[in-house]
Amino acid sequence: AQKVTQAQTEISVVEKEDVTLDCVYETRDTTYYLFWYKQPPSGELVFLIRRNSFDEQNEISGRYSWNFQKSTSSFNFTITASQVVDSAVYFCALSEPYYGNNRLAFGKGNQVVVIP
Amino acid sequence: GAVVSQHPSWVICKSGTSVKIECRSLDFQATTMFWYRQFPKQSLMLMATSNEGSKATYEQGVEKDKFLINHASLTLSTLTVTSAHPEDSSFYICSARAGQFDTQYFGPGTRLTVL
Repeated sequence: AQKVTQAQTEISVVEKEDVTLDCVYETRDTTYYLFWYKQPPSGELVFLIRRNSFDEQNEISGRYSWNFQKSTSSFNFTITASQVVDSAVYFCALSEPYYGNNRLAFGKGNQVVVIP
Repeated sequence: GAVVSQHPSWVICKSGTSVKIECRSLDFQATTMFWYRQFPKQSLMLMATSNEGSKATYEQGVEKDKFLINHASLTLSTLTVTSAHPEDSSFYICSARAGQFDTQYFGPGTRLTVL
């Protein structure tokens, strides 16, 4: 069963528009960790954020913001006022210390294309 | 901080040869590193967990004799693709855990093409 679901495969937006990437996860662990990574065309995965399951505060970092809703098992990511440099694949990932041995389970990724 | 390097960044080899990929943690020590494989337009697939000073733990379906992993020091793990064949062509990425919460930081990846 897919532990992390990112339903939208490719999303195209015009520059300066906002884009929200949905991530829904499934876990039996009571404590777990969620991540977002960015993979630009160069291929390297860039760490964006880590969220602990016991910390439901939303977070904002510049134009990036994250909405963690434990009740709906979702950890959504919004890019505000998108720029061409935001064009990349974005992966949501889950780490389960007990049932997953701390391995990262990745979603299929969201390909974001920002059109100038 | 938390920089991971990989070498080489790309390699082309003939079928039947072996290829070694290095993964280094540059500014921290990593007792555990991970090796992933990624096909075009797909997600990352975990191949194995590399543990310093002990045998690697392979995921189901990954041939340990085909993909040899050695984690000889706290900053270096190597993946050797033995007797490579065209179907082994892929993007291989390593990661290492760092920081208070063991976040995985990834290397830039190695693109392997087997002719």
